[in-house]
Amino acid sequence: EDQVTQSPEALRLQEGESSSLNCSYTVSGLRGLFWYRQDPGKGPEFLFTLYSAGEEKEKERLKATLTKKESFLHITAPKPEDSATYLCAVQAGETSGSRLTFGEGTQLTVNP
Amino acid sequence: KAGVTQTPRYLIKTRGQQVTLSCSPISGHRSVSWYQQTPGQGLQFLFEYFSETQRNKGNFPGRFSGRQFSNSRSEMNVSTLELGDSALYLCASAERASTDTQYFGPGTRLTVL
Repeated sequence: EDQVTQSPEALRLQEGESSSLNCSYTVSGLRGLFWYRQDPGKGPEFLFTLYSAGEEKEKERLKATLTKKESFLHITAPKPEDSATYLCAVQAGETSGSRLTFGEGTQLTVNP
Repeated sequence: KAGVTQTPRYLIKTRGQQVTLSCSPISGHRSVSWYQQTPGQGLQFLFEYFSETQRNKGNFPGRFSGRQFSNSRSEMNVSTLELGDSALYLCASAERASTDTQYFGPGTRLTVL
């Protein structure tokens, strides 16, 4: 059974204080790892897709990296508007179609 | 392009009733998946439809069902509602299946009293 674990559960940062969120996974045949951001009461907003170990993607203050066991979401000089829950999800196996298995998320709060 | 839309946004039902939720995918997207989100269980996969066929089903009881129409719009139905069915129900669409990125709608907040 695919498992995705995110840490920490919650993270408080001061504006400008860089940090990283972790997503470790145990799957059979990773096909893709996805990062989403979710604001309260809204649907998840797509951030990145990573397909193979060593891959990196960047968008504004965010950078996602992937190894064979985990992914990191690096947040550089965060702003209060980066406050949200960040979700990691995997697609794995040959017969699972589009099915995503999600981690529990990291709730990020950035204080001004 | 317009995003994924879901209706209604909020629903209040009582135990034993049934409910139908609707999802309109992004134009051109043929894959629609449904997820349930609760504080205790997080986001859990319900089922996926592609070209009007159910491709995958999660570990939910048979009270949960869905369908997809020829225009890719999808509905999910929950019969004999239980208190534990209270959740945010999210629909996601993708161009095809496989590893295409899924884009989520705003969700339908279902409260069962």
